[in-house]
Amino acid sequence: NAGVTQTPKFQVLKTGQSMTLQCAQDMNHEYMSWYRQDPGMGLRLIHYSVGAGITDQGEVPNGYNVSRSTTEDFPLRLLSAAPSQTSVYFCASSYRRSSGANVLTFGAGSRLTVL
Amino acid sequence: DQQVKQNSPSLSVQEGRISILNCDYTNSMFDYFLWYKKYPAEGPTFLISISSIKDKNEDGRFTVFLNKSAKHLSLHIVPSQPGDSAVYFCAARGGGADGLTFGKGTHLIIQP
Repeated sequence: NAGVTQTPKFQVLKTGQSMTLQCAQDMNHEYMSWYRQDPGMGLRLIHYSVGAGITDQGEVPNGYNVSRSTTEDFPLRLLSAAPSQTSVYFCASSYRRSSGANVLTFGAGSRLTVL
Repeated sequence: DQQVKQNSPSLSVQEGRISILNCDYTNSMFDYFLWYKKYPAEGPTFLISISSIKDKNEDGRFTVFLNKSAKHLSLHIVPSQPGDSAVYFCAARGGGADGLTFGKGTHLIIQP
């Protein structure tokens, strides 16, 4: 019953440092994605994956890398953190069926501050 | 260019009354619309959805109405309860993209 698990919950970085936000799901969902939430901006899609070995860019991909080596895991990498990447990050997953709403299940979020 | 718009950043409603949250969209290719609820320091949770071929879907106190000709949907909560105080996101699926496109959210405040 874990659903979508994100780690860490909180992280403070200095400008230029790198780090990886981890995301794991145990629902055998094909689709996984990363969103960032900023005040007044809603949820914006960073990267997504429709299956192991397949990734693609969303609305705001710059400064982030992803990979999908397994169905369960979808880490988000910041190669050189910038203050503009201060945000709350959400990982989400869903089935990928041709019919139905394909409801996204979200993790609890990772709050990142870049100084 | 925002494809899903929630024009009211906040809404205050008295407990027991009806809450109506609105959402407009521009992409006629969206095939599903969803509402998510978000409490502080938690991830969004799914509330209710509606297919583009329907005009109404009801689940307990929550009803979503879709007006395709106006490209408008609304979420009705009756009666409103204190636990309904949260940020509500409207989201749309399809339109040529994988995943969901979200609006900016409406902060609903239920007054006692």
